Amino acid sequence: KAGVTQTPRYLIKTRGQQVTLSCSPISGHRSVSWYQQTPGQGLQFLFEYFSETQRNKGNFPGRFSGRQFSNSRSEMNVSTLELGDSALYLCASRTGEINSPLHFGNGTRLTVT
Amino acid sequence: GQQVMQIPQYQHVQEGEDFTTYCNSSTTLSNIQWYKQRPGGHPVFLIQLVKSGEVKKQKRLTFQFGEAKKNSSLHITATQTTDVGTYFCAGGRAQKLVFGQGTRLTINP
Repeated sequence: KAGVTQTPRYLIKTRGQQVTLSCSPISGHRSVSWYQQTPGQGLQFLFEYFSETQRNKGNFPGRFSGRQFSNSRSEMNVSTLELGDSALYLCASRTGEINSPLHFGNGTRLTVT
Repeated sequence: GQQVMQIPQYQHVQEGEDFTTYCNSSTTLSNIQWYKQRPGGHPVFLIQLVKSGEVKKQKRLTFQFGEAKKNSSLHITATQTTDVGTYFCAGGRAQKLVFGQGTRLTINP
């Protein structure tokens, strides 16, 4: 079974631009979550989508948004990029059952200059 | 909101020594999950504990869930260089998983 696939692996953007990250979950997984990982803040939860609906949301500003498609693939968008948005963005899929384990992708390394 | 604190933040040991990381939640958890992230890699699921007082073992790794379901620990016996990485706990409550800050383990061979 193929794992979670995230594209692109690396991205360099300028302040004020916007960016879209993509995530393809493991086949059969209906839940996709997004996390931001930085050295100082650890793994911060952004949001979770299940069956195309946002099921949970973390404490990030409205510049961070996401969506999920009918095939469970998900995209995350960050608008008006700030230097502090530089981070590793990890997508994780799971079956959707409560407490099911997360399967992470390799992440997208975003650098904002 | 729900917080999960993990200590220590860093731990350096000699190969062969034991290692323990602790996880504490401000609220009662429905479950706790543990993940390992190798340097340059992504978090990989290790195990899940659900029952109060539960203890599970995976070879040299022992996982415990406290009686009050507010704390957990991961203990590694006789560390090996392959144990290097960051260990995260993640507390589950109301369909949310909150990650601890992680404990970064480095080992002197």
